[in-house]
Amino acid sequence: DAGITQSPRHKVTETGTPVTLRCHQTENHRYMYWYRQDPGHGLRLIHYSYGVKDTDKGEVSDGYSVSRSKTEDFLLTLESATSSQTSVYFCAIRPGTAGAEAFFGQGTRLTVV
Amino acid sequence: AQKVTQAQTEISVVEKEDVTLDCVYETRDTTYYLFWYKQPPSGELVFLIRRNSFDEQNEISGRYSWNFQKSTSSFNFTITASQVVDSAVYFCALSEAQGNDYKLSFGAGTTVTVRA
Repeated sequence: DAGITQSPRHKVTETGTPVTLRCHQTENHRYMYWYRQDPGHGLRLIHYSYGVKDTDKGEVSDGYSVSRSKTEDFLLTLESATSSQTSVYFCAIRPGTAGAEAFFGQGTRLTVV
Repeated sequence: AQKVTQAQTEISVVEKEDVTLDCVYETRDTTYYLFWYKQPPSGELVFLIRRNSFDEQNEISGRYSWNFQKSTSSFNFTITASQVVDSAVYFCALSEAQGNDYKLSFGAGTTVTVRA
């Protein structure tokens, strides 16, 4: 199994509070991604990183920020959580070779009340 | 821009029937990669297959087969003689290979239910 860990696995938070989700890898892969999964929408890309301190936006980046200060860690922050951000969040890692498949974490179920 | 469309939201079949999942993609690049992933009820995402844009050879792996046609921008997936364990959400994904744009974009997924 790919060495990828998401924490926490479950979280309930209140509207307006900041929340940080962590993705940790032990594979030294170059690319890291954050997705959210919602019924009817599949997996939508929030942000991704192609190296330390190199990040870019995905299709649903509003209300989210990311940081990658080390190869192994990719943090996703909800600056002020809203109920529309209730979702399952997946982190994925991918080697730098073109066409390589991505490996996914177990997911984090976030509920904003 | 890249886009992946899985027009079928849900498919329900009886065990041993064949089921085909459609995937249509859009990309302006000549070099790209296509993937299929499976998400069983337990929730993890499992990689099934990868295809690059230069390889249109179809592939068969056990009861799974894939049909890649660049002319119609499609990468369809067939499960032959379906089993209850095939019940899952299946995602098609697209990645372009140029520069730093290694985004991996997914379709909305097709939920397959196989009834005993």
